[in-house]
Amino acid sequence: KNEVEQSPQNLTAQEGEFITINCSYSVGISALHWLQQHPGGGIVSLFMLSSGKKKHGRLIATINIQEKHSSLHITASHPRDSAVYICAINNDMRFGAGTRLTVKP
Amino acid sequence: DGGITQSPKYLFRKEGQNVTLSCEQNLNHDAMYWYRQDPGQGLRLIYYSQIVNDFQKGDIAEGYSVSREKKESFPLTVTSAQKNPTAFYLCASSMWGENEQFFGPGTRLTVL
Repeated sequence: KNEVEQSPQNLTAQEGEFITINCSYSVGISALHWLQQHPGGGIVSLFMLSSGKKKHGRLIATINIQEKHSSLHITASHPRDSAVYICAINNDMRFGAGTRLTVKP
Repeated sequence: DGGITQSPKYLFRKEGQNVTLSCEQNLNHDAMYWYRQDPGQGLRLIYYSQIVNDFQKGDIAEGYSVSREKKESFPLTVTSAQKNPTAFYLCASSMWGENEQFFGPGTRLTVL
């Protein structure tokens, strides 16, 4: 079993919809990362969080350390949000398999 | 501009040939990492280096080799011993002791 599980694997939404991507992990951590990978392959760090909630523009990330769960939310989704979203934990940087998001106009 | 560069973006090689992927950073980061990404799987760590002239094996080091002669550079050689080398390779760097990693644009290697 992978230490980091993401759901769903694929997600298609209409522009404007509220998006939620989930990440569960099985080991104790001190920080969790959300990354964004665009079709070209480059990866950008969105959030690093160890408790509570962080917000950046239309993106919100939450984490519950006790439940070993994190969510990434996108409000008012837009086609330019289409990408693969990856969750990673800082125990030797273990990565989830990613969630492929497609936002249709 | 500060950042991480990888070259080339696309690389094709014949089976049985060694190939070296370049990774350079001008962020003055101590630590550098090489990951492999395959479809449907998370990134997997190949090698990492926390300081010049020192590096450690990751989860899937077999068939790969690295060097760290300069702080800015961490080249990865995919040897003929790597059974399934076709993949997307990502390089990353971070400050020593910090969790946040910065990623390069990646190199897609195809072995024919």
